[in-house]
Amino acid sequence: EVQLLESGGGLIQPGGSLRLSCAASGFTFSSYAMSWVRQTPGKGLEWVSAISGSGGSTYYADSVKGRFTISRDSSKNTLYLQMNSLRAEDTAVYYCAKAVVAAKGHYYFDYWGQGTLVTVSS
Amino acid sequence: EIVLTQSPGTLSLSPGERATLSCRASQSVRSSYLAWYQQKPGQAPRLLIYGASSRATGIPDRFSGSGSGTDFTLTISGLEPEDFAVYYCQQYGSSLYTFGQGTKLEIK
Repeated sequence: EVQLLESGGGLIQPGGSLRLSCAASGFTFSSYAMSWVRQTPGKGLEWVSAISGSGGSTYYADSVKGRFTISRDSSKNTLYLQMNSLRAEDTAVYYCAKAVVAAKGHYYFDYWGQGTLVTVSS
Repeated sequence: EIVLTQSPGTLSLSPGERATLSCRASQSVRSSYLAWYQQKPGQAPRLLIYGASSRATGIPDRFSGSGSGTDFTLTISGLEPEDFAVYYCQQYGSSLYTFGQGTKLEIK
């Protein structure tokens, strides 16, 4: 059974940094691309970032490019999202999702974690 | 960026009825790279449809997807009580994936 468990969310001041983790199990982690998707009440679902199975290719939404970094550690079956220079508009529930590759760089998401809440506020 | 517009915003129907949800893209979606997700309160989204018309593993056949180019449809034939939820479309034809704003399917 595929399981994705996010952690690392919390309350952080604007300009601060936070690292999210996603522990994966139930599938061969290194064989699959992974992604982060966030959700806010006002803006709905927003794709944030994705990484290929090897970690060699990464993709970012324009809204986080240059501030967020996605990475993975296949020895730990864990996906990460390093978030720097956080802004109020980054406040959201962050989901980790297992990706299916339709073509290189074209992913949809077949399993999702339960999410971790990030609140950026002073 | 491809903008996805879902309609209606809210759909009120009774169990047993047929639901038709629309997702319109601001430009053509390459290779019909469009997915549909269902989300219930307090839960993560669940994949229903990918490639515009292929059902994901374990999804009942009352869920069907169709469309191409800029116009896509999710149809639920014979609504069950557990089908009342919010539905999102997502395009993955461009490297900047985008979601629609959602359609809430509520019990009439």
